[in-house]
Amino acid sequence: QAVVTQEPSLTVSPGGKVTLTCGSSTGAVTSGHYPYWIQQKPGQAPRTLIYDTSDKHSWTPARFSGSLLGGKGALTLSGAQPEDEAEYYCLLTYSGVGVFGGGTKLTVL
Amino acid sequence: QVQLQESGPGLVKPSETLSLTCAVSGYSISSDYYWGWIRQPPGKGLEWIGAIYHTGTTFYNPSLKSRVTMSVDTSKNQFSLKLSSVTAADSAVYYCARTQLLPYWGQGTLVTVSS
Repeated sequence: QAVVTQEPSLTVSPGGKVTLTCGSSTGAVTSGHYPYWIQQKPGQAPRTLIYDTSDKHSWTPARFSGSLLGGKGALTLSGAQPEDEAEYYCLLTYSGVGVFGGGTKLTVL
Repeated sequence: QVQLQESGPGLVKPSETLSLTCAVSGYSISSDYYWGWIRQPPGKGLEWIGAIYHTGTTFYNPSLKSRVTMSVDTSKNQFSLKLSSVTAADSAVYYCARTQLLPYWGQGTLVTVSS
């Protein structure tokens, strides 16, 4: 089974910009992996921010964007807010089977 | 407004079968999309368990495949998860979700495996 890798933790200043990445043990992440980015705050159910690499749900703040970057999936947060402090999970799909990354704990400080 | 609600025992004994149901409201699961299960052990990350289409087509996590069975009941607009031969490692919050585009998640239900 493929392994999906994420930075364990990142810190961003309020108003700053940060990019989280998502790698695959099988090689480059492509649109065919339909990358998802999911946000989870303590004690809450997860909430999907990005699907299919860069598409946003209606509730996704405009400051979040998804892309492919250097063979990895990427989530960029531009203009970080205190409420963006959370765990972020990447999900990749391999022939219909999903695999989550270990998550990135994002601190806004 | 689409809502998903998990239900099932909160405590399961080791070696027994964990059974959960997800009731969907606001959308007919027989219309389209895959629906499935994701779990999260306490203090740990998310794990994708599997997904099912209303026709019965399934995709399972290879590491759980030998123990997982998913089914769908279109008459009740719900789908179910069975995980056999459970151990303490299966203790987790279990979420049901629409696995395509992942717009909808249940609130999650904690299942503890203990004697």
